[in-house]
Amino acid sequence: GENVEQHPSTLSVQEGDSAVIKCTYSDSASNYFPWYKQELGKRPQLIIDIRSNVGEKKDQRIAVTLNKTAKHFSLHITETQPEDSAVYFCAAADQTGANNLFFGTGTRLTVIP
Amino acid sequence: ETGVTQTPRHLVMGMTNKKSLKCEQHLGHNAMYWYKQSAKKPLELMFVYSLEERVENNSVPSRFSPECPNSSHLFLHLHTLQPEDSALYLCASSQARGTGELFFGEGSRLTVL
Repeated sequence: GENVEQHPSTLSVQEGDSAVIKCTYSDSASNYFPWYKQELGKRPQLIIDIRSNVGEKKDQRIAVTLNKTAKHFSLHITETQPEDSAVYFCAAADQTGANNLFFGTGTRLTVIP
Repeated sequence: ETGVTQTPRHLVMGMTNKKSLKCEQHLGHNAMYWYKQSAKKPLELMFVYSLEERVENNSVPSRFSPECPNSSHLFLHLHTLQPEDSALYLCASSQARGTGELFFGEGSRLTVL
């Protein structure tokens, strides 16, 4: 099955700085790569996703990049704000095969005001 | 905030108790999932139901028993649990199995004494 590795496990940045979280995956058939944000005591929620037919996707201050050859994808958050503090999970799946998502171990991001 | 609702939010039980976790989704989705979330581990997929039929059971011990009486409700029956089963149990749904976004509930925090 798929194996997703995520780094770093914790990340602290000053407010206004950028944050980058990286994930690698093992199954070359994976074609769907979402990112979930989980605030303390709350449910994980999808913040952005990318499919394998594109290399980059942006939504305001967040962006995701995908390198299919290297089998890695990254989350970029610019101009970080205290409300960005949360645990972020990457995931990968071969959705052509209706396969389930495999999640990374999560990154705890702390934005210091 | 509705969508996927889980009860109870917190549960403490002894190893000999029998209890159940309940999940309800109001999104008209056809697939429902149970995940286990433990510290410093990836979200672990336990069970998948598609159109009320169990399609996946990821080597979960028999002390966890799922039930899906209809497409809107999912239960996790707990019996003779171990302290290492203490975790946050998350229910999720998606439009169809293995497609698109997962919508999570807020989770049931289980403590086994």
